[in-house]
Amino acid sequence: GAGVSQSPSNKVTEKGKDVELRCDPISGHTALYWYRQSLGQGLEFLIYFQGNSAPDKSGLPSDRFSAERTGGSVSTLTIQRTQQEDSAVYLCASSYSGRANNEQFFGPGTRLTVL
Amino acid sequence: DAKTTQPPSMDCAEGRAANLPCNHSTISGNEYVYWYRQIHSQGPQYIIHGLKNNETNEMASLIITEDRKSSTLILPHATLRDTAVYYCIVRVERSGSARQLTFGSGTQLTVLP
Repeated sequence: GAGVSQSPSNKVTEKGKDVELRCDPISGHTALYWYRQSLGQGLEFLIYFQGNSAPDKSGLPSDRFSAERTGGSVSTLTIQRTQQEDSAVYLCASSYSGRANNEQFFGPGTRLTVL
Repeated sequence: DAKTTQPPSMDCAEGRAANLPCNHSTISGNEYVYWYRQIHSQGPQYIIHGLKNNETNEMASLIITEDRKSSTLILPHATLRDTAVYYCIVRVERSGSARQLTFGSGTQLTVLP
């Protein structure tokens, strides 16, 4: 079946502009995660959605970052007034439930470059 | 979650077994050992996980020592497409909110033709 998809695959923007990144999780997966990965670095957790529960936003680096998940499926990560340090690969993952030992399936990522 | 230690890089000849070690000497009794890999320019990919017993699936085998302080991921017949960064993580199954993944620096496995 279809995996996690993300769009766009690449986004180049100017400093100060807003960007929206989209994630389509695997159908039926109730848990959705956003991470980012800077060049040569590990994963940095951003936000987590589980079913209808309030999202865990503890990883969002600033109030310029927000995310929503509509209808328990598609999620959008929005970065307002982008800065050069926001440049990274933004990865979305989904899993069947929020249990820790359910594997997370990752999308291909969106490479964001802020000029 | 317990800290893990992996060698920064390893080479393996194509067709041979790749054995990737991981030390997790501070692992707790309820922490699982997980392996993910990340091929260049792709998202991470789950490989295998285990608690105490050795595990095998279509991708790899996981050997966990009896004291659980270390483990080895085995790719039985490495191919060029197995070239990737391999991450070993340990994590407890928690109830409640996020179970996000945290990767260290991993091992860069290069499969040589």
